[in-house]
Amino acid sequence: QKEVEQDPGPLSVPEGAIVSLNCTYSNSAFQYFMWYRQYSRKGPELLMYTYSSGNKEDGRFTAQVDKSSKYISLFIRDSQPSDSATYLCAMDSGGYQKVTFGTGTKLQVIP
Amino acid sequence: NAGVTQTPKFQVLKTGQSMTLQCAQDMNHNSMYWYRQDPGMGLRLIYYSASEGTTDKGEVPNGYNVSRLNKREFSLRLESAAPSQTSVYFCASRWDGNQPQHFGDGTRLSIL
Repeated sequence: QKEVEQDPGPLSVPEGAIVSLNCTYSNSAFQYFMWYRQYSRKGPELLMYTYSSGNKEDGRFTAQVDKSSKYISLFIRDSQPSDSATYLCAMDSGGYQKVTFGTGTKLQVIP
Repeated sequence: NAGVTQTPKFQVLKTGQSMTLQCAQDMNHNSMYWYRQDPGMGLRLIYYSASEGTTDKGEVPNGYNVSRLNKREFSLRLESAAPSQTSVYFCASRWDGNQPQHFGDGTRLSIL
């Protein structure tokens, strides 16, 4: 079993829809949770960074962390074609060594 | 506003050739990382440097070496390239272990 599970998609939605992206994990030591957006032929770009459980909102993006269920989510409101990309979840227990990444969910927003 | 810069962006090698991938960051970060990204396997850590003067192995270090040249620069060397090392290589950096990593745009490496 992988430490982090993420549905690879692809996920296709119409423009304006609410998108829900999710990851589950097995390591209870994870404390820091991140979402990255990766456009084709580009590097991962940090979208959201949260510590422990709870919600964080930034514009159209909301990140949720439920440590009791070992489940994190990223919601995108009023999705735009420019949101079409691969979204990676990432988790970290702190310290310098290892950040664990999901394999990514490919999202396509159709105009 | 460069962030993390990787060179070259593309490279084709023959089996057995050697090359060095370069990475530089201008954010005064202490820690730097090298990953490879392969379809269906996500990002896998090759080597990292927690601070200037230190380097440590990640989960897939075989066939690679690294050098932390100074605080800004962290290079990855393939001594004898193999087809299994065909991948996209990303360099990342961060201030410390409790901060998120920031990535470059990658080097796409093909080994024939």
